[in-house]
Amino acid sequence: EPEVTQTPSHQVTQMGQEVILRCVPISNHLYFYWYRQILGQKVEFLVSFYNNEISEKSEIFDDQFSVERPDGSNFTLKIRSTKLEDSAMYFCASGENEQFFGPGTRLTVL
Amino acid sequence: GIQVEQSPPDLILQEGANSTLRCNFSDSVNNLQWFHQNPWGQLINLFYIPSGTKQNGRLSATTVATERYSLLYISSSQTTDSGVYFCAVAEAGGFKTIFGAGTRLFVKA
Repeated sequence: EPEVTQTPSHQVTQMGQEVILRCVPISNHLYFYWYRQILGQKVEFLVSFYNNEISEKSEIFDDQFSVERPDGSNFTLKIRSTKLEDSAMYFCASGENEQFFGPGTRLTVL
Repeated sequence: GIQVEQSPPDLILQEGANSTLRCNFSDSVNNLQWFHQNPWGQLINLFYIPSGTKQNGRLSATTVATERYSLLYISSSQTTDSGVYFCAVAEAGGFKTIFGAGTRLFVKA
């Protein structure tokens, strides 16, 4: 059964560094998303992406964040100049109506 | 923006018991999904159910879109049902998906 994959599973970084989180969506899906979940809290929408451009973004998704589909399979989330409060689980999802989630990347900013 | 409220926030059940989880939303929605977040943090799709009723084994769900609520039924609960159950909706005409705060379920053996 096709699934969304994410790498790495856990990323530790120093405050101020840049990180890139990677996702491989389900192969025939055209809609992609990033979410984050701070420990113990609810899942928050960051951004949706379709046809090589952002279709919608939340207030959280400011200039610190960017997304890219660099090739036909990968979908990345870049976080510039990380802050302590960026520590969270980041989920990638794909699907037009029903969304399927990857296992997440746990980002720890020290 | 759309508001999503889930109840109850916490639920403790004895193995074998039945339960009903509720999701209320404040506006018309395109999509509605129920997820189970297991103790390892994975979000498992349970139902895609913008309207109507679906069943999958011991689980079933009903969405009454005109009244802006959805229900998730768990019958004969098992310890492996423990975790957090999230309802998530997308506004009509949009892509932004809003999750509720979840119902944390613990099933005792």
